[in-house]
Amino acid sequence: GAGVSQSPSNKVTEKGKDVELRCDPISGHTALYWYRQSLGQGLEFLIYFQGNSAPDKSGLPSDRFSAERTGGSVSTLTIQRTQQEDSAVYLCASRPGGSDYGYTFGSGTRLTVV
Amino acid sequence: SQQGEEDPQALSIQEGENATMNCSYKTSINNLQWYRQNSGRGLVHLILIRSNEREKHSGRLRVTLDTSKKSSSLLITASRAADTASYFCATDAGGTSYGKLTFGQGTILTVHP
Repeated sequence: GAGVSQSPSNKVTEKGKDVELRCDPISGHTALYWYRQSLGQGLEFLIYFQGNSAPDKSGLPSDRFSAERTGGSVSTLTIQRTQQEDSAVYLCASRPGGSDYGYTFGSGTRLTVV
Repeated sequence: SQQGEEDPQALSIQEGENATMNCSYKTSINNLQWYRQNSGRGLVHLILIRSNEREKHSGRLRVTLDTSKKSSSLLITASRAADTASYFCATDAGGTSYGKLTFGQGTILTVHP
């Protein structure tokens, strides 16, 4: 597609439930990133995929968070046993590999845990 | 933790005035980027400046970088109401972190018609 697509755009879930957030990056972009943004805050890095390399998971806040990227394209961020502090906007971005490029962001998924 | 810190946290100006936002960072960088965010959703990439560059222009945007002071500034000239948004700087430290951005807390810019 023309841009980075994220789904769902909004998700309300009950505390303790699992959620899956999806990101469809721009075709051909080898790098894919997940960030989250709490209300009025900056962006917190979660995880980074680059081509076939092992992902950089250094930003995942707990073992309840995991992500995968299938076939070097679509990525899914899974949060197990959601907690209220997981409420945030989850943003996905992609960019070409190689030289310096900016990120192209999706519109995000607003997750609310009640 | 956030590497970049923007200053001011909020800026309110009249249409036609210039807006200047500053960003400071702590570690050496490969490049620094500025992004705009409307309505708390997706960010839009504005401009990228490499560590060996000192100034860059794009339309009404002017970015400067001073690596000795570990700081950057974003100038928006002749501001418009449509420039109202949050602006974030982000640093790419390069090396093993190449391509991974660390974002600041942002500056909220309000341009009054």
